[in-house]
Amino acid sequence: SQELEQSPQSLIVQEGKNLTINCTSSKTLYGLYWYKQKYGEGLIFLMMLQKGGEEKSHEKITAKLDEKKQQSSLHITASQPSHAGIYLCGAGGQDGNNRLAFGKGNQVVVIP
Amino acid sequence: GAVVSQHPSRVICKSGTSVKIECRSLDFQATTMFWYRQFPKKSLMLMATSNEGSKATYEQGVEKDKFLINHASLTLSTLTVTSAHPEDSSFYICSARDPQGDEQYFGPGTRLTVT
Repeated sequence: SQELEQSPQSLIVQEGKNLTINCTSSKTLYGLYWYKQKYGEGLIFLMMLQKGGEEKSHEKITAKLDEKKQQSSLHITASQPSHAGIYLCGAGGQDGNNRLAFGKGNQVVVIP
Repeated sequence: GAVVSQHPSRVICKSGTSVKIECRSLDFQATTMFWYRQFPKKSLMLMATSNEGSKATYEQGVEKDKFLINHASLTLSTLTVTSAHPEDSSFYICSARDPQGDEQYFGPGTRLTVT
């Protein structure tokens, strides 16, 4: 089964600073999803990456899928308190059935 | 992004009773929906895939007779926790796959507490 390792487990940054979190897979990634979750709430869809080398941006958040398709990074520029939360990466299977396996999350805290 | 709703958001029930949770996709027709369970400070665990018009596909270790899934229409899937026990207390989240772009959108979750 596919395993996703997210690092760092938790991260505290000063408002305005940049931050990067990573998601590393034990197998080739065929669809990598990034979500944000606040405790006790649902997941907010951020981005989906499918092709090796693909990079997508939304507002101040940029996510990349490396060429070998086994790691993705998510970068936040000039972090704001609104960026605080748990970032989860999820990976689909090779058969494209969208049954996602998730990592344990990166907890991001932004200090004003 | 697309909207997926869940109802109820919170439910408390007594041991032995059954609880139904609804998941609706509001912006698109979802032939496939998924049910996840999340334990405190843990990641999401996929329970089953809900297929419109056919039987759900359960992940290994998930009891299909305990967690009944019905996907009666292209916008509604229900999860019924039958004969609930305290160990069933958890956060249940559904998701719906947008057939247009393959994105998967999640509902806000349902907090189930079994006393």
